Amino acid sequence: GQQLNQSPQSMFIQEGEDVSMNCTSSSIFNTWLWYKQDPGEGPVLLIALYKAGELTSNGRLTAQFGITRKDSFLNISASIPSDVGIYFCAGPDYGGSQGNLIFGKGTKLSVKP
Amino acid sequence: NAGVTQTPKFQVLKTGQSMTLQCAQDMNHEYMSWYRQDPGMGLRLIHYSVGAGITDQGEVPNGYNVSRSTTEDFPLRLLSAAPSQTSVYFCASNDGNSPLHFGNGTRLTVT
Repeated sequence: GQQLNQSPQSMFIQEGEDVSMNCTSSSIFNTWLWYKQDPGEGPVLLIALYKAGELTSNGRLTAQFGITRKDSFLNISASIPSDVGIYFCAGPDYGGSQGNLIFGKGTKLSVKP
Repeated sequence: NAGVTQTPKFQVLKTGQSMTLQCAQDMNHEYMSWYRQDPGMGLRLIHYSVGAGITDQGEVPNGYNVSRSTTEDFPLRLLSAAPSQTSVYFCASNDGNSPLHFGNGTRLTVT
């Protein structure tokens, strides 16, 4: 079945540094989503990508939909302490309902002030 | 709008006990779903519903039942809890054109 491989699993960075994480798949996705989960809360959508090659920004966050449609990356520039959390990539499960998502295992980000 | 509301926030069960995790949304979304989140495993789909009266299985449905008698509510039932069901459970909804909205989760421990 479809799987998303997300890396790195965790990152420990200094405040002000840039962060990069990515997600790959052996199968093609037509949509890539990036969610953030704060401690004790549910995931919240950060960026949605709908076209191969698309580069989209949301404040200090930038995400790209890979040209092969099998990968995506998320960059965070000039990290701040509130960036702490778990970041998930996700894509539609084409074997089920259009609402069903497959998630990567997450990248846990820690930021040292 | 409250969005997606899950109750309870925390629950401890003994093996073999039953309970229902509640989920309600006030956005008139047709699609609702339940995920479980385990350390290092990401979120995995348990059951989902594309509208009132319609439910289907996700990736990890065993040990769980669902029903959808109204658009607003989508309860998840554990008939006989097992330690392997210790997890954080998230309910989510959308209208098919929007991203999933998640609740804040129910943290379940089965001893």
